[in-house]
Amino acid sequence: DAGVTQSPTHLIKTRGQHVTLRCSPISGHKSVSWYQQVLGQGPQFIFQYYEKEERGRGNFPDRFSARQFPNYSSELNVNALLLGDSALYLCASRSTGDSYEQYFGPGTRLTVT
Amino acid sequence: KQEVTQIPAALSVPEGENLVLNCSFTDSAIYNLQWFRQDPGKGLTSLLLIQSSQREQTSGRLNASLDKSSGRSTLYIAASQPGDSATYLCAVRQSYNTDKLIFGTGTRLQVFP
Repeated sequence: DAGVTQSPTHLIKTRGQHVTLRCSPISGHKSVSWYQQVLGQGPQFIFQYYEKEERGRGNFPDRFSARQFPNYSSELNVNALLLGDSALYLCASRSTGDSYEQYFGPGTRLTVT
Repeated sequence: KQEVTQIPAALSVPEGENLVLNCSFTDSAIYNLQWFRQDPGKGLTSLLLIQSSQREQTSGRLNASLDKSSGRSTLYIAASQPGDSATYLCAVRQSYNTDKLIFGTGTRLQVFP
């Protein structure tokens, strides 16, 4: 089975622009979460979606939004990009078994200039 | 507010040594704890997950223990190899109702031949 996939791999944007990042969970996983990882830090939770509904939101401004589609894939949108948004954006999907183990994708490296 | 700390921040050891990486958390009311490995610029690979009711989990040369009451977890790596070089992150999940993981800042491990 394929793991969590994310696109694009790398992205360069200019301040003020908008960006859309995409994530496909492991087949059968209905829960998707997004994280931001700044260099040298641990990932910070942005959103969780389950069955197309938002189930949690981290301490991020309203410029960040997300949605989940009927096939459980997800998009993360960031408006009015700032230099500080430069980071690795990680998507995770969670198994529905008893362990509730989470699996991460390879990430999207966003650079804002 | 839950805070997760990892000590040491960096570690450099010769091949063959047995290692202990430490993770501490301030709120003992956790649902589970997960250890991850991250190679530079890459996503996270799940290593071990320990449920709050468990004391330890083992996978190959890796053993993770959990002492909830003292807010501590350790990752033991036996007979380290250069391929073990990576950053190791621990993360706690607070409750059944959220997938949000709270991460430490990681331990950067280098194993030299």
